[in-house]
Amino acid sequence: EVQLVQSGAEVKKPGDSLKISCKGSGYSFTSYWIAWVRQMPGRGLEWMGIIYPGDSDTRYSPSFQGQVTISADKSISTAYLQWSSLKASDTAMYYCARRDDGFDIWGQGTMVTVSS
Amino acid sequence: QAVLTQPASLSASPGASVSLTCTLRSGINVGTYRIYWYQQKPGSPPQYLLRYKSDSEKQQGSGVPSRFSGSKDASANAGILLISGLQSEDEADYYCVIWHSSVWVFGGGTKLTVL
Repeated sequence: EVQLVQSGAEVKKPGDSLKISCKGSGYSFTSYWIAWVRQMPGRGLEWMGIIYPGDSDTRYSPSFQGQVTISADKSISTAYLQWSSLKASDTAMYYCARRDDGFDIWGQGTMVTVSS
Repeated sequence: QAVLTQPASLSASPGASVSLTCTLRSGINVGTYRIYWYQQKPGSPPQYLLRYKSDSEKQQGSGVPSRFSGSKDASANAGILLISGLQSEDEADYYCVIWHSSVWVFGGGTKLTVL
């Protein structure tokens, strides 16, 4: 079965660092782009960026450039999204999604809560 | 002005057909874009429905019923998701997406209520 499994929910304080993960299985992880999508509470979907695990080519939305870092470890079929200093406004659900033309496979989401 | 504009909400009755629109900003020609549609139910990740550029260039998502289809209205500069034979399980948020200026752009989403 083709799937993306994300790491569990996180509760952090402003200023904390964080790295969440997205593990692919059931397909060639290095052959498809993996995107990250943010959904703030009660709001719509926002594309953050995308990585090609085969060569780690990474693109960012201008809205998120410099705010987060996207990476991947192809040896363990895992993509990552990380923050160096979280803000309360980073509170959201974060999804990873495989791109095969459309975003055809989605992870279950990782809820990140940032609160003092 | 947003790149993609979707009505915030829409309601329809079971068995009816409903058209969800995704209007592109003036100056962005709908004819040149592939428009992707996603469905999201509460508490779940989005699900890929289909991609539509033209009748000769379209793709249905795996396992997506044929009562979900795509089209365009060039006069309105909009992409359209048509859902026919509406069912209660179609109640969800629907998002359109395009690749524009090296960025994946999501519309704001339409909340579809099946009355």
